[in-house]
Amino acid sequence: DQQVKQNSPSLSVQEGRISILNCDYTNSMFDYFLWYKKYPAEGPTFLISISSIKDKNEDGRFTVFLNKSAKHLSLHIVPSQPGDSAVYFCAASAQRTGTASKLTFGTGTRLQVTL
Amino acid sequence: NAGVMQNPRHLVRRRGQEARLRCSPMKGHSHVYWYRQLPEEGLKFMVYLQKENIIDESGMPKERFSAEFPKEGPSILRIQQVVRGDSAAYFCASSPNSDYIEEQYFGPGTRLTVT
Repeated sequence: DQQVKQNSPSLSVQEGRISILNCDYTNSMFDYFLWYKKYPAEGPTFLISISSIKDKNEDGRFTVFLNKSAKHLSLHIVPSQPGDSAVYFCAASAQRTGTASKLTFGTGTRLQVTL
Repeated sequence: NAGVMQNPRHLVRRRGQEARLRCSPMKGHSHVYWYRQLPEEGLKFMVYLQKENIIDESGMPKERFSAEFPKEGPSILRIQQVVRGDSAAYFCASSPNSDYIEEQYFGPGTRLTVT
């Protein structure tokens, strides 16, 4: 039962253009969402997060949009750079006040930024 | 500011042997999580620990797997009588002691190969 889905296993974008990575979830208890970037042979690196009380969060070239009614979020990277080439994982958590919580990950989207 | 440390980075075991994976969280972090990534898949939650306590082990296989986070020293993920299906990358993550969800910071992973 894949509660967090990234339906595009790969994406190729030209340098300077916008990269849009999508993520869908099924568990309505999820209320905190994160994006991680992963290079081969390394651990995932935190990129950006969003709480369910917001619909947008921006950090430099990275913006995450959340559509709760559609149970959909997306990560926008503008402008895309060759160093952005990596696997991007969407993750979700059901926050419980007073304790931290496990993350449920999608299967990842491999982004290739071409020159 | 050292990040999450995991050792060994690569571990080869024959079927039936034991594997011990170690994780030292970031300084000041008291929450530790273990995740497993099988080839071509996303990360799957295994267990969440605080010092001397297992908080959530809902992702741990019922047999052969155990985890601990002692008062002193690193967290240990132990796999007894390994089988080929245990071959995977095992990632440890840590987060601060907080009442609210925080980003989890990942180590570089231990790649276990069972021959």
